[in-house]
Amino acid sequence: EAGVAQSPRYKIIEKRQSVAFWCNPISGHATLYWYQQILGQGPKLLIQFQNNGVVDDSQLPKDRFSAERLKGVDSTLKIQPAKLEDSAVYLCASSLVVGADTQYFGPGTRLTVL
Amino acid sequence: AQSVAQPEDQVKVAEGNPLTVKCTYSVSGNPYLFWYVQYPNRGLQFLLKYITGDNLVKGSYGFEAEFNKSQTSFHLKKPSALVSDSALYFCAVRGGTNQAGTALIFGKGTTLSVSS
Repeated sequence: EAGVAQSPRYKIIEKRQSVAFWCNPISGHATLYWYQQILGQGPKLLIQFQNNGVVDDSQLPKDRFSAERLKGVDSTLKIQPAKLEDSAVYLCASSLVVGADTQYFGPGTRLTVL
Repeated sequence: AQSVAQPEDQVKVAEGNPLTVKCTYSVSGNPYLFWYVQYPNRGLQFLLKYITGDNLVKGSYGFEAEFNKSQTSFHLKKPSALVSDSALYFCAVRGGTNQAGTALIFGKGTTLSVSS
């Protein structure tokens, strides 16, 4: 079974530029999550989708971050404009259902904002 | 508010010795508890979870964890450490409401170093 796919793996941009990350979850997984992991910290949820609907985006900085999952499968996370403090690893995870089901993580995208 | 504490930034053990990585939690309702491991430049890999039932949970690569409700702890253990176990370990919790939108809350991580 293929795991969660993410691209790109690494990205370096200047502050105020825009960037987009892509995630393809495990086939059949209805729930998709985007987490931000700042160096030295645990991952923090940015947004959670159930199929193509947003379930929780309470910690998403909506003035600069946006995410979509139009067809209920793959998802894109965008930052515009980027700030220095957005430097982090962006992790995508998926689970079969919501609740106690295990979340499976992709390899992440390491973003460096200069 | 839900929270997870991993009191040790680093744990060092010799190969062949038992290891323990500590985790305590705070959550309303019954907790769902998870352990993940992260190797350099890799995503998080699932090790094990506690939902209900037996307090001793067995997981991947010989790891196990013991749920202790009275102490609100979920410590990760392994009887005999391997050098290849050296990695960053995360404990996570979500509230047991089974509601949509209940995110995983992660601890800050514990670096395990196993020496040969």
